[in-house]
Amino acid sequence: GENVEQHPSTLSVQEGDSAVIKCTYSDSASNYFPWYKQELGKGPQLIIDIRSNVGEKKDQRIAVTLNKTAKHFSLHITETQPEDSAVYFCAAIFTGTASKLTFGTGTRLQVTL
Amino acid sequence: ETGVTQSPTHLIKTRGQQVTLRCSSQSGHNTVSWYQQALGQGPQFIFQYYREEENGRGNFPPRFSGLQFPNYSSELNVNALELDDSALYLCASSLTGIDTEAFFGQGTRLTVV
Repeated sequence: GENVEQHPSTLSVQEGDSAVIKCTYSDSASNYFPWYKQELGKGPQLIIDIRSNVGEKKDQRIAVTLNKTAKHFSLHITETQPEDSAVYFCAAIFTGTASKLTFGTGTRLQVTL
Repeated sequence: ETGVTQSPTHLIKTRGQQVTLRCSSQSGHNTVSWYQQALGQGPQFIFQYYREEENGRGNFPPRFSGLQFPNYSSELNVNALELDDSALYLCASSLTGIDTEAFFGQGTRLTVV
């Protein structure tokens, strides 16, 4: 069935270091992969997304890479800052499910000073 | 800010009662999706409405129902509340509903006692 696995569940980095979060998905026909950041008490905020016709997308300090053959995609945050601390969710849209998002289990990122 | 607003922000109900949650979608968006997010987990898809018609449903019982209005705002209704219904309920709006960016509201925190 539709499944998205996300690792790690928690990640602690020092300010200025890079953070990488990885996700794998089950449906090889999936073609849209967004990443959301969720701060305490708030709804998920779309921070970057990638479609299956590209392998990498970058927006300032964040980037996403997609490997369709291996069915995995990753979020990269460089030069981390304390305000990057939050829970990050990857998601995928599976074929035939309209725009239903299937989410990973989340990664709690803690950026320490 | 995403332009997606939900009301109320918090709600406490007694087991067996009924609840209605509301969502105003972002201007220009014609699709609304509802998600349930239990504590410490990723959002789970409940259902989606596109131009006032249900357009996909997740693994939730019939006591979860919804509506979408001509202005594309939406309601989520839950009957016969159970303790396990306690969660953050999220509304997401998008345009056309197919592989496009979905923007979330801040959510409604429902507590069933």
